[in-house]
Amino acid sequence: AQSVAQPEDQVNVAEGNPLTVKCTYSVSGNPYLFWYVQYPNRGLQFLLKYITGDNLVKGSYGFEAEFNKSQTSFHLKKPSALVSDSALYFCAVRDMGAYNTDKLIFGTGTRLQVFP
Amino acid sequence: NAGVTQTPKFQVLKTGQSMTLQCAQDMNHNSMYWYRQDPGMGLRLIYYSASEGTTDKGEVPNGYNVSRLNKREFSLRLESAAPSQTSVYFCASSDPRAGNSPLHFGNGTRLTVT
Repeated sequence: AQSVAQPEDQVNVAEGNPLTVKCTYSVSGNPYLFWYVQYPNRGLQFLLKYITGDNLVKGSYGFEAEFNKSQTSFHLKKPSALVSDSALYFCAVRDMGAYNTDKLIFGTGTRLQVFP
Repeated sequence: NAGVTQTPKFQVLKTGQSMTLQCAQDMNHNSMYWYRQDPGMGLRLIYYSASEGTTDKGEVPNGYNVSRLNKREFSLRLESAAPSQTSVYFCASSDPRAGNSPLHFGNGTRLTVT
């Protein structure tokens, strides 16, 4: 069965410092991985995805993620955090058993708190 | 652009009542999805529709039914609401023809069952 795990319920970081939100995956075959962000009282917004190619993927709002096959990880990173980055972040993997859809399996989410 | 629109935004039901959550998308997407979000559990798929005319169960379908009314609309029905169905419900859509396209989400319906 495919799954993703987000080991941290919350990550705290000071504004201007680098941030990392962790995600590990478990899939058979090549994974298709995604990061989404959720602001209060809103739906999820797509940040970036890894399908194939370069292990470092760049996305929206200055975020990037590093795919590491040997460690089965896909950590979300940003060089310099902003207070406005404070939100709930979800890692997801495409369900490869679903034909002709983009069905995703989500992690439990990590709340990022950036302090001024 | 409206994207994915969900109605209502909030709803309070008594145990045993029924209701339908509405979802519509204006992006001409083939696939649509219903997820529920609960604290500490992330998003779990209830039902999905790969294309107009088809629906399939997701991870947590019990207590729900869906209708893909046309390409734009995908509704979720609770026939007899239970307190365990208190949650935030999200509808999403995507275009699988584009290949691994991201899901586009609505802003959710917050449902409380007392």
